[in-house]
Amino acid sequence: AQRVTQPEKLLSVFKGAPVELKCNYSYSGSPELFWYVQYSRQRLQLLLRHISRESIKGFTADLNKGETSFHLKKPFAQEEDSAMYYCALSGLGRDDKIIFGKGTRLHILP
Amino acid sequence: NAGVTQTPKFQVLKTGQSMTLQCAQDMNHNSMYWYRQDPGMGLRLIYYSASEGTTDKGEVPNGYNVSRLNKREFSLRLESAAPSQTSVYFCASIMNSEQYFGPGTRLTVT
Repeated sequence: AQRVTQPEKLLSVFKGAPVELKCNYSYSGSPELFWYVQYSRQRLQLLLRHISRESIKGFTADLNKGETSFHLKKPFAQEEDSAMYYCALSGLGRDDKIIFGKGTRLHILP
Repeated sequence: NAGVTQTPKFQVLKTGQSMTLQCAQDMNHNSMYWYRQDPGMGLRLIYYSASEGTTDKGEVPNGYNVSRLNKREFSLRLESAAPSQTSVYFCASIMNSEQYFGPGTRLTVT
């Protein structure tokens, strides 16, 4: 079964501390993995995708096929990082439906 | 280029009333989606349309109908609203596996 699991509903981190948002997936085939972010009362937007291997707003995520994980990391949290984060997957190169995890709310403490 | 637009932004309905949520995209994308977002449940797919003239059920289709009027527009209809349909509704389109979201419709059913 295709599934995305985000084990933490809420993660509170002090400003300046490292951040790691966990994401595990189950997919038969070659998935493409994404992180989407939703700031307060705004629309969801793409943060990063594994094939681009970019660092966006200081965040990185590495696809670990052995552990079927795609954890989102940032070395030093900033207050503006407070938001809802969704991990998602789709079939690589296919424009069919994307499967979302239930999301993790990241709260940066001052 | 407005991206994905949704109307209305807010709506309050009484139980049993009907309404249609409108969504349009000007990016010439083939695939469009309707999600609902609830606290602790993340994003759940209601219906999607892989191309003009086709629609498919998602995870939570009961109580909803959709129409893919043309390539640009994908509407979601609640025939007889229930309090359980109180939620934030997001429309999205997809291109190259990246989803573009609308600003959302906040619906309250009393």
